[in-house]
Amino acid sequence: GQQLNQSPQSMFIQEGEDVSMNCTSSSIFNTWLWYKQDPGEGPVLLIALYKAGELTSNGRLTAQFGITRKDSFLNISASIPSDVGIYFCAGRSSGGSNYKLTFGKGTLLTVNP
Amino acid sequence: DGGITQSPKYLFRKEGQNVTLSCEQNLNHDAMYWYRQDPGQGLRLIYYSQIVNDFQKGDIAEGYSVSREKKESFPLTVTSAQKNPTAFYLCASSMWSIQGQPQHFGDGTRLSIL
Repeated sequence: GQQLNQSPQSMFIQEGEDVSMNCTSSSIFNTWLWYKQDPGEGPVLLIALYKAGELTSNGRLTAQFGITRKDSFLNISASIPSDVGIYFCAGRSSGGSNYKLTFGKGTLLTVNP
Repeated sequence: DGGITQSPKYLFRKEGQNVTLSCEQNLNHDAMYWYRQDPGQGLRLIYYSQIVNDFQKGDIAEGYSVSREKKESFPLTVTSAQKNPTAFYLCASSMWSIQGQPQHFGDGTRLSIL
């Protein structure tokens, strides 16, 4: 089946630092989504991307749909303690079902105040 | 407020017992999904439903069953055939479009074995 490689698996940073994480797939995707999950809760959608090369921001978060359509990046600027959580990428493959998403295994972010 | 409600938040299952997890949405979304999440793992799709009275198996459907009698409801039954049911279960929903729409999640049910 589809596989997404998300890296890094975990990050430990100081408050105020910028963060970057990415996902790569073995096949072409036509949608990339980034979610954040807090402990014991469901993932919350951060950013949705639909076109190759698209760059979208949501506050301090910026995500990009890679030109090759096989990767996506999420950047967080000036991190704060509430950024702590697990960040997941998810994608919908080209030619696949409009309903099924493939998820990465997540990046655990820890922010030291 | 519009959203997805999962209940209960915590559930315990005895050996040989079937248990049902509830998922209700008032977003008027066409599609609904059930995922299983294990520590350090991504979300794995159990079942999904595009319309009422229709559903498809996901990647790990064995030991689970679902029904979709109403648009807003998509309950998941974890049967005794599921030998390793301890996990965090997430329900999601989305609209349908040619391009595909993001899935929105409930707050999950944590299932444990007694």
